[in-house]
Amino acid sequence: GEDVEQSLFLSVREGDSSVINCTYTDSSSTYLYWYKQEPGAGLQLLTYIFSNMDMKQDQRLTVLLNKKDKHLSLRIADTQTGDSAIYFCAETPPSGSQGNLIFGKGTKLSVKP
Amino acid sequence: DAGVIQSPRHEVTEMGQEVTLRCKLISGHNSLFWYRQTMMRGLELLIYFNNNVPIDDSGMPEDRFSAKMPNASFSTLKIQPSEPRDSAVYFCASSTTTQGAKNIQYFGAGTRLSVL
Repeated sequence: GEDVEQSLFLSVREGDSSVINCTYTDSSSTYLYWYKQEPGAGLQLLTYIFSNMDMKQDQRLTVLLNKKDKHLSLRIADTQTGDSAIYFCAETPPSGSQGNLIFGKGTKLSVKP
Repeated sequence: DAGVIQSPRHEVTEMGQEVTLRCKLISGHNSLFWYRQTMMRGLELLIYFNNNVPIDDSGMPEDRFSAKMPNASFSTLKIQPSEPRDSAVYFCASSTTTQGAKNIQYFGAGTRLSVL
């Protein structure tokens, strides 16, 4: 089936690293995405990774991709209270789609001071 | 660009009433997506359009829901008649779709619908 799986909750202390994990289903996905949703707002693209890459780093964010296991992770270094949000993993569905994405149910990150 | 604009931001209505949600795409985008978000079911894709043509409406719950794109920059999602179980946050998103390229969807702020 076309399911993107994520754990629903993660709680960390301010200053620690957060790691949010995701498993996806379609090995032919060309791009994989992380979106962030702050309270009362829509989803916003955080970062993405092309499928021929293993890792992408952008300031405090590190994305790791394991294509063999279809596993994607998002690491946030030095997590701040402003990072509290819901994080969605998304993949492009099988070939033949026309721009839609398959989203996971989201991981709610709570950062304690 | 102002981004994807949704209206209204909040809608409270009574069961049986017609509800119309509106969405203005980002200029130049050719794909439009309607989503519904609830605590129980998470984010669900209802329908999406490419170049004003509906591509997949399999996520539309039932015939009470309909969506249109009267022009390239505007869409409506209508619920008639509305029911309490339709209470949710409805998002629209737009993107520039190119096959094989990354498809970044830009979301509006959402419409919070409460059906009493």
